[in-house]
Amino acid sequence: EVQLLESGGGLIQPGGSLKLSCAASGFTFRTYAMSWVRQAPGKGLEWVSGISGSGTSTSYADSVKGRFTVSRDNSRNTLYLQLNSLRSEDTAVYYCAKDGGGGRPYADNPGEVDSWGPGTLVAVSS
Amino acid sequence: DIQLTQSPSTLSASIGDRVTVTCRASQSINSWLAWYQQKPGNAPKLLIYKASTLQSGVPSRFSGSGAGTEFTLTISSVQPDDFATYYCQQYNTYEHTFGQGTKLEIK
Repeated sequence: EVQLLESGGGLIQPGGSLKLSCAASGFTFRTYAMSWVRQAPGKGLEWVSGISGSGTSTSYADSVKGRFTVSRDNSRNTLYLQLNSLRSEDTAVYYCAKDGGGGRPYADNPGEVDSWGPGTLVAVSS
Repeated sequence: DIQLTQSPSTLSASIGDRVTVTCRASQSINSWLAWYQQKPGNAPKLLIYKASTLQSGVPSRFSGSGAGTEFTLTISSVQPDDFATYYCQQYNTYEHTFGQGTKLEIK
């Protein structure tokens, strides 16, 4: 059974940094692209970042480009998201998401998401 | 970036109704579109991928269609468990995007 579990969220001041982790199990982690998706309180879903299975290809939403960095450690089956220069508008539940393997236009980019973690809340406030 | 516009934003339906949600893309995304269902306090659940492929375990009353810039999600006969918010997502480009969501409410 696929399991994804995020950690590292919390209350942080504007301008601060945080590193989120996602521990994965139940599948061959290194062979799947992964994504981060966030959801501000009472709002819709926002795709944040994606990373290939090898970790060599990454992509970001314009709203976080230059501030967030996605990475992975395939030896530890763990996905990461480094959040820098945090703003109040970054307040959200952050979900770790696994590629569904149903096909995609670019082999090194995630496609649809078939498994999600429960999410970790990042609250940016002074 | 590709924008996705869902309509309507809110949909009221009764048990047994047939309902349709539309997702329009600002440029062609071929068939690289997924649909998700989300209930309050829970992570989303994948329903449809590649525009029309039903995810394993999802009831057959859900169906998806479309290609290019216009897509639809149809529930053939709404059941009590279907009242939730529905999102479309495009993955035609490296930067994915979601629609703003459609909330299905009980009439």
